[in-house]
Amino acid sequence: ELKVEQNPLFLSMQEGKNYTIYCNYSTTSDRLYWYRQDPGKSLESLFVLLSNGAVKQEGRLMASLDTKARLSTLHITAAVHDLSATYFCAVDAGGGADGLTFGKGTHLIIQP
Amino acid sequence: EAQVTQNPRYLITVTGKKLTVTCSQNMNHEYMSWYRQDPGLGLRQIYYSMNVEVTDKGDVPEGYKVSRKEKRNFPLILESPSPNQTSLYFCASSKLGLTMNTEAFFGQGTRLTVV
Repeated sequence: ELKVEQNPLFLSMQEGKNYTIYCNYSTTSDRLYWYRQDPGKSLESLFVLLSNGAVKQEGRLMASLDTKARLSTLHITAAVHDLSATYFCAVDAGGGADGLTFGKGTHLIIQP
Repeated sequence: EAQVTQNPRYLITVTGKKLTVTCSQNMNHEYMSWYRQDPGLGLRQIYYSMNVEVTDKGDVPEGYKVSRKEKRNFPLILESPSPNQTSLYFCASSKLGLTMNTEAFFGQGTRLTVV
């Protein structure tokens, strides 16, 4: 059974600081996705990582995938309040046939 | 505009009264699924469908039914809702794995309360 673990589950940080969210998964996969969810809203796709060594950047967020270590990271650079949200990683280990398995999410609060 | 549409967005109902949450996508995706989201538990898959007339159980299927008569629609049916089904529900669609990118697109969510 595929397990996806995110940490931390909760993070409060100040604006301007850097931090990394980690996503570990338990079985071979080269498809990993990051989503953002604002309170009361749906999940919005942030990054699609489809190969070992993939790195994607959008603004102050950068995601990477190491399939050998079964690890993805979401790095936040010089955080701003607007990045406050819950971030989920999700892994597809079944060629899409089993759907995505989600981590429990990282609730990120960025304080001025 | 590519989208996944769920209805209703909010629903309060009583125990035992059958209800259906509809889901429709306009991206011609083969794969559709339902998740429920509960505090501390993240998203858990209820049912999924790989194509028309093909459905299968996810991780938490008890108390739910689905059907896939058309490619674009995937309704979630609660025949006899109970309070433990109070949750936030999301429908999602994606291409199947042969295309490599199986990124899921989510509906806006249905907040269900069963009293």
